[in-house]
Amino acid sequence: KAGVTQTPRYLIKTRGQQVTLSCSPISGHRSVSWYQQTPGQGLQFLFEYFSETQRNKGNFPGRFSGRQFSNSRSEMNVSTLELGDSALYLCASRTTESTDTQYFGPGTRLTVL
Amino acid sequence: GDSVTQMEGPVTLSEEACLTINCTYTATGYPSLFWYVQYPGEGLQLLLKATKADDKGSNKGFEATYRKETTSFHLEKGSVQVSDSAVYFCALSDQGRSQGNLIFGKGTKLSVKP
Repeated sequence: KAGVTQTPRYLIKTRGQQVTLSCSPISGHRSVSWYQQTPGQGLQFLFEYFSETQRNKGNFPGRFSGRQFSNSRSEMNVSTLELGDSALYLCASRTTESTDTQYFGPGTRLTVL
Repeated sequence: GDSVTQMEGPVTLSEEACLTINCTYTATGYPSLFWYVQYPGEGLQLLLKATKADDKGSNKGFEATYRKETTSFHLEKGSVQVSDSAVYFCALSDQGRSQGNLIFGKGTKLSVKP
């Protein structure tokens, strides 16, 4: 079974721009979560979607948003990019929002110049 | 709130040495506990997990036991290999309190020398 896939793998943007990242979960998984990884803050939870609804949200500003489609694929959007948004963005999927094990994709490396 | 503390790295070992990476947690509920590993340039891979007290997770020679009395989940391996060089993250998931999102420790970088 194919794993979690994320596109693009690398992205370079400038301050003030917006960006959209994509995540395709493992087949049959209906829950998708997003995490931000930075050297300073480590791994932090952004939000989780299940059945096209946001179920849980971390402590990030409203510039960070997401959505999930009927095929469980998810997108994450960051508007008005700041230098501090440079990070590895990881997507994880699980079968439902009540199963405990999450499986991660390879991540999208975002660099903001 | 819930939190995970793991030993600071980096940890440098010779091949075939024993490994222990300490991890303790704070949680008011009954979390599941995980170890994830991240190889350079890659995402996180689930290494092992335990869902209740006294459970032992194991995989690829790594082991960790869920100790509720000491709120710990230390990662151990009897003989490390160069290929084990990576960053290891301890994490918890409390389905009741945080709806299951993962809370991670800061990570411990392991380097194994031949």
